[in-house]
Amino acid sequence: RKEVEQDPGPFNVPEGATVAFNCTYSNSASQSFFWYRQDCRKEPKLLMSVYSSGNEDGRFTAQLNRASQYISLLIRDSKLSDSATYLCVVRVAGYSTLTFGKGTMLLVSP
Amino acid sequence: DADVTQTPRNRITKTGKRIMLECSQTKGHDRMYWYRQDPGLGLQLIYYSFDVKDINKGEISDGYSVSRQAQAKFSLSLESAIPNQTALYFCATSGGGETGETQYFGPGTRLLVL
Repeated sequence: RKEVEQDPGPFNVPEGATVAFNCTYSNSASQSFFWYRQDCRKEPKLLMSVYSSGNEDGRFTAQLNRASQYISLLIRDSKLSDSATYLCVVRVAGYSTLTFGKGTMLLVSP
Repeated sequence: DADVTQTPRNRITKTGKRIMLECSQTKGHDRMYWYRQDPGLGLQLIYYSFDVKDINKGEISDGYSVSRQAQAKFSLSLESAIPNQTALYFCATSGGGETGETQYFGPGTRLLVL
């Protein structure tokens, strides 16, 4: 079983749609959680950290469910510029490195 | 100017050749990482370094070596390149500690081994 699993997609949505991505992690000692964004042929960049209480940044909302070991990312009012691959990232307590999921591709069309 | 730079950006080499990929950063971070990314496989950690005297193997270090020449420089070498090392390679840095978990990536090096 992979440590961090994501639906690879692609998710094809029209502009203005709301789309949600889920990610599951296998290690219950996971302590820190993030969503990174990677544009085609570019480097990954931090989109947002995920906090236990859930957090929002504009159109983006991240939630964490420790009991079920999953993380979600909700994007409201999708823009063409949101087209990218979204990487779920986890750090296990006691470890200093990050584990990346394979990513979920989002394609927003006019 | 970019905070994390990688050279070369693209490289074509032949099986058996030795090549070096270089990474430099101006962020003042102590921690540096090398990843490879293959289609459908996501990012895999090759090596990482938490300071100049610290080198650690990642999940796929076989066939690779690294050198941390200075706080700002971290090089990845392929001693004898093979075709399945064809991939996109990223260098990344972080500040360390819980508040420094964010990793900042360079633009990547596309490597093709023939």
